[in-house]
Amino acid sequence: KQEVTQIPAALSVPEGENLVLNCSFTDSAIYNLQWFRQDPGKGLTSLLLIQSSQREQTSGRLNASLDKSSGRSTLYIAASQPGDSATYLCAVMIYNQGGKLIFGQGTELSVKP
Amino acid sequence: NAGVTQTPKFQVLKTGQSMTLQCAQDMNHNSMYWYRQDPGMGLRLIYYSASEGTTDKGEVPNGYNVSRLNKREFSLRLESAAPSQTSVYFCASIPGRPGANVLTFGAGSRLTVL
Repeated sequence: KQEVTQIPAALSVPEGENLVLNCSFTDSAIYNLQWFRQDPGKGLTSLLLIQSSQREQTSGRLNASLDKSSGRSTLYIAASQPGDSATYLCAVMIYNQGGKLIFGQGTELSVKP
Repeated sequence: NAGVTQTPKFQVLKTGQSMTLQCAQDMNHNSMYWYRQDPGMGLRLIYYSASEGTTDKGEVPNGYNVSRLNKREFSLRLESAAPSQTSVYFCASIPGRPGANVLTFGAGSRLTVL
């Protein structure tokens, strides 16, 4: 059974700091891994998708990496800003199961001015 | 282009009442999903529909039923609501090539069962 874990559960950093969020999964048979952002009381917004054959994806100040063999992904946020404060979730799409995604519990990020 | 639309946004039920959460997408996506989100539990998959006419159980299907009415619509029904079903429910969809596409979420439906 695929399990997805995110560490830490919560993180507080001063503005301007570079930071890394971690995601681990137990079964390497995945189609892709996605990172999402969720603001309080809102739905989820997709940030980055990494195909199983890829090693990383970048969008602006965000860089996500994927190491399938070790079951790990990281989301790197450069030069953090207070507007980055949100919960970040990773999810893996399971191979050959109709696009089923399994989510981690999320990391709640707070960036202090 | 509205994306994924969920109704209602808020609902309060008494134990034992029934209700249906509606979800519609206008992006011609093949696959649709229902998730619930609870504090400290992340998102858990209730049911999903890989294509029109098919539905499959997710991680937490007990107490729920679904209908993929057509390609656009995927509804979630609670036949006899219980307090344990108090949660925020999210509908989502993808185009249907799972290896290449991003999940699009609705804004959520907050359900309270008293």
